[in-house]
Amino acid sequence: KQEVTQIPAALSVPEGENLVLNCSFTDSAIYNLQWFRQDPGKGLTSLLLIQSSQREQTSGRLNASLDKSSGRSTLYIAASQPGDSATYLCAVNTNAGKSTFGDGTTLTVKP
Amino acid sequence: DAGVTQSPTHLIKTRGQQVTLRCSPKSGHDTVSWYQQALGQGPQFIFQYYEEEERQRGNFPDRFSGHQFPNYSSELNVNALLLGDSALYLCASSSQGTYGYTFGSGTRLTVV
Repeated sequence: KQEVTQIPAALSVPEGENLVLNCSFTDSAIYNLQWFRQDPGKGLTSLLLIQSSQREQTSGRLNASLDKSSGRSTLYIAASQPGDSATYLCAVNTNAGKSTFGDGTTLTVKP
Repeated sequence: DAGVTQSPTHLIKTRGQQVTLRCSPKSGHDTVSWYQQALGQGPQFIFQYYEEEERQRGNFPDRFSGHQFPNYSSELNVNALLLGDSALYLCASSSQGTYGYTFGSGTRLTVV
C-alpha cells in the first residue's frame, strides 16, 4: 500500500527566503507525481507534474524534483512571497490512475 | 476553456439522509475521480470513473456510489449519512493514460 509523507507539516518563513518542501513515498512503482496548492476551504490547483521518467520540472519560481529510487520529491520555492502562503500537497499516481496524497505542508510567508 | 465544475458548493444534511454531488470535467477529459478531504488531511481517493464504469475504488463503504454519464460528467451519491461524512468532496478530471489531474473547487458537506 502506497503511503505518502510530507515534512514538515507546517513552515513559517520571512518573505524573500528560498525554501524546500519534502514528499516521500513508500512504493517507487509510480506513474507520475503531482504537486498542488490549496488555499483554505478551496480546491486544489496543480503546480507541477513530473512523469516517472523525469528528474525535475520548473515553472517560474517553482522547481520540483523526483528521485524514484529513493522515494522522494522536493518542491523548491525561490524568493517566497506572502501570496505563496497556502497548503502544498503532493500526490503520487499509479498507472492505474489511483492517486495517494500526503497530508500537506502548510506554508506561511510573513511580510 | 472551462475547468472542473462542481455543484453545489455547500450542503447541509441530516444524519441518515442521502446526498448527490455533481461534477462536470474539464473539456477534453474523459476520466473523473472523487476524493474526500477531512479538515487538516490530504484528499482520500473514493473512486474513479471511465467509460461510464467504476475502474478503481478506494477504501470506502458501499454507501458511497457513483455514476458517469455519456457526456463524461459524474455524480457521487452517499446514502445513510453519518456525522463522519462531513468533509470537502473534490472531483478531479483527467485524460485516460495521462493522469495529470485538474481539480474542482469542491463541495463542502456538513452532516448534522
